[in-house]
Amino acid sequence: QKEVEQNSGPLSAPEGAIASLNCTYSDRVSQSFFWYRQYSGKSPELIMSIYSNGDKEDGRFTAQLNKASQYVSLLIRDSQPSDSATYLCAAVNSGTYKYIFGTGTRLKVLA
Amino acid sequence: KAGVTQTPRYLIKTRGQQVTLSCSPISGHRSVSWYQQTPGQGLQFLFEYFSETQRNKGNFPGRFSGRQFSNSRSEMNVSTLELGDSALYLCASSLGRTGGANYGYTFGSGTRLTVV
Repeated sequence: QKEVEQNSGPLSAPEGAIASLNCTYSDRVSQSFFWYRQYSGKSPELIMSIYSNGDKEDGRFTAQLNKASQYVSLLIRDSQPSDSATYLCAAVNSGTYKYIFGTGTRLKVLA
Repeated sequence: KAGVTQTPRYLIKTRGQQVTLSCSPISGHRSVSWYQQTPGQGLQFLFEYFSETQRNKGNFPGRFSGRQFSNSRSEMNVSTLELGDSALYLCASSLGRTGGANYGYTFGSGTRLTVV
């Protein structure tokens, strides 16, 4: 099993809807989890970090961490066409402290 | 606050040549990591430096090397370039880690290397 897994998409959402992105992880990663957004031709940008079980909200973004089921999600409320990008999930290997990135989920928000 | 600065932005090199890429992290960030990004492989970890010491290394051949200076600036070098080394090379800086938690990365704009 890969340490961090994401569905590559594309995931489509209508404008104004809630877009939901999911990421699962293995036992080898620790409790530091991150979501990055990458627009085409640009570098990744950190949008959320989450360390504790539960939800963490920041503006239109909510990160959810469920340790029992080993998944972390990102919800984007009132999604806009400008949210169309690739979203990368990342976690940290418990033993080596290396960052592990998922392959990314491409999100398309349709106007 | 200045971001992460990578130079150069674009490079075209010939097979067999070597190349050096530079990264200046955010002021106060002592951790600098390097990644290779290609469409097929996603983000592949190269190495991490913290306070001039290599703390982690990815699964790349010895042709890929790096170093960090006392001012936290970092360079990576690729010798004997191959066509497959064509990629976007990203530098990321962070505060490192504290307790059991890691800080997030701030990425530079990247250096796009094309090997012909």
